[in-house]
Amino acid sequence: AQSVTQLDSQVPVFEEAPVELRCNYSSSVSVYLFWYVQYPNQGLQLLLKYLSGSTLVKGINGFEAEFNKSQTSFHLRKPSVHISDTAEYFCAVSDDRGNKFYFGSGTKLNVKP
Amino acid sequence: EPEVTQTPSHQVTQMGQEVILRCVPISNHLYFYWYRQILGQKVEFLVSFYNNEISEKSEIFDDQFSVERPDGSNFTLKIRSTKLEDSAMYFCASKAVQETQYFGPGTRLLVL
Repeated sequence: AQSVTQLDSQVPVFEEAPVELRCNYSSSVSVYLFWYVQYPNQGLQLLLKYLSGSTLVKGINGFEAEFNKSQTSFHLRKPSVHISDTAEYFCAVSDDRGNKFYFGSGTKLNVKP
Repeated sequence: EPEVTQTPSHQVTQMGQEVILRCVPISNHLYFYWYRQILGQKVEFLVSFYNNEISEKSEIFDDQFSVERPDGSNFTLKIRSTKLEDSAMYFCASKAVQETQYFGPGTRLLVL
């Protein structure tokens, strides 16, 4: 079985500052990795995904993430955040067939002016 | 871009009542899923469905829950006798054969 740990439940940051949201996973099999964003009272929007290939993945809204197999991590980064990035971010892992996602507990990103 | 849709967006029901949550997956997708998110908690897998049968289900998915694909487009989640603790956001997702899952906007269920 897979599991996901998001170490930070909340991350406050000032506008235009860089941010990193941490995600670690455990799995005994090959995995796919994902980051989703959830704005208040809305659904889950895919930010980016790692299926295979280059370990640096670029997604929407200027976010990127790097898959590190040795550290079993998939941290999400953005060099300069905007107020509009305020949301909750979920890391997720699935097996390499894309079935049964396991989600982390989420990180609330609060961007302050 | 095609997307997963869910209806209703919000549903309020009395404890003990039956509810049916509806989802229209992306048209060429073959695998279908339900997840739930209790307020303030993580998103949890409920069930996966392929080839007109359940392929996997979690401990949460007990006898009160059922899923169905009644026609070629809809995918439904039925809760037979709702409990207070069923109050949550329910997400439907679908995927093609070897792809990521695409999530719907969710149905917020409130059981009173």
